[in-house]
Amino acid sequence: KAGVTQTPRYLIKTRGQQVTLSCSPISGHRSVSWYQQTPGQGLQFLFEYFSETQRNKGNFPGRFSGRQFSNSRSEMNVSTLELGDSALYLCASTHRGEGANTEAFFGQGTRLTVV
Amino acid sequence: GESVGLHLPTLSVQEGDNSIINCAYSNSASDYFIWYKQESGKGPQFIIDIRSNMDKRQGQRVTVLLNKTVKHLSLQIAATQPGDSAVYFCAEKTSGSRLTFGEGTQLTVNP
Repeated sequence: KAGVTQTPRYLIKTRGQQVTLSCSPISGHRSVSWYQQTPGQGLQFLFEYFSETQRNKGNFPGRFSGRQFSNSRSEMNVSTLELGDSALYLCASTHRGEGANTEAFFGQGTRLTVV
Repeated sequence: GESVGLHLPTLSVQEGDNSIINCAYSNSASDYFIWYKQESGKGPQFIIDIRSNMDKRQGQRVTVLLNKTVKHLSLQIAATQPGDSAVYFCAEKTSGSRLTFGEGTQLTVNP
C-alpha cells in the first residue's frame, strides 16, 4: 500500500512569508502528527490531528497551525516565517489514535529553508 | 519536562560485529517505547517496539531491552551491515499518538 506522502519535498521561502505543507496519510489511517526536525533541537512534536480535530499540541508558537480534512489529509501552516523555522517537517500517520502499540509511519518530510 | 535522551551521539562498528545503541528516558509512567532508524534524506523508519510490561523483544537481527528500574532502553543489532548505517532514535509514546524522541545516535558501519 502507498506510504505517507508529503508535498512539496523542498521549499525555499523568504522571512515574513507564510507556507503550507501537505501530508496524505496511509489509506485508512485517521491520526496525523507533525514533527519539526532540526540539528539543534532534534525531533520536536508540533501537533496531532485525529478525525479532523486537533488532539494534542506541542510547545510551538501560534504561527504554527494545522488542520485535517475529512479524508484524513492534513496541512500545516507557518505564518510570518523566521530563519529559525528552517527545518525538516515530518508527518506521521497512525491507524488510530487511541492506545499504545500503534505504529507511526513517517513520510519523507518537507525540507523548508527560510532565507 | 519529559525527555528521552541518548548516551552517545556516534557509534562506529566493523561490519559483522554486533551494535548496541543506548537510550535513557525520564518519564517513568511511559508504557510504550519505539526505536526508529533514519537514513539520510528520509523520514524515520520503525524498527521495533516494546511495551513496559516486557523487558525484551526480538525482531529480525534486532533486539530491544527495557530496564524500567534505571529507565534505560537499548537496541542491539546483530551482524551489523553497511546498510544499517543511519541515525537511530528511541521514542517514548505519551498521550494519543504523540512521540517524544531522543537525540539520536549516528551509527557508522565500517567495511
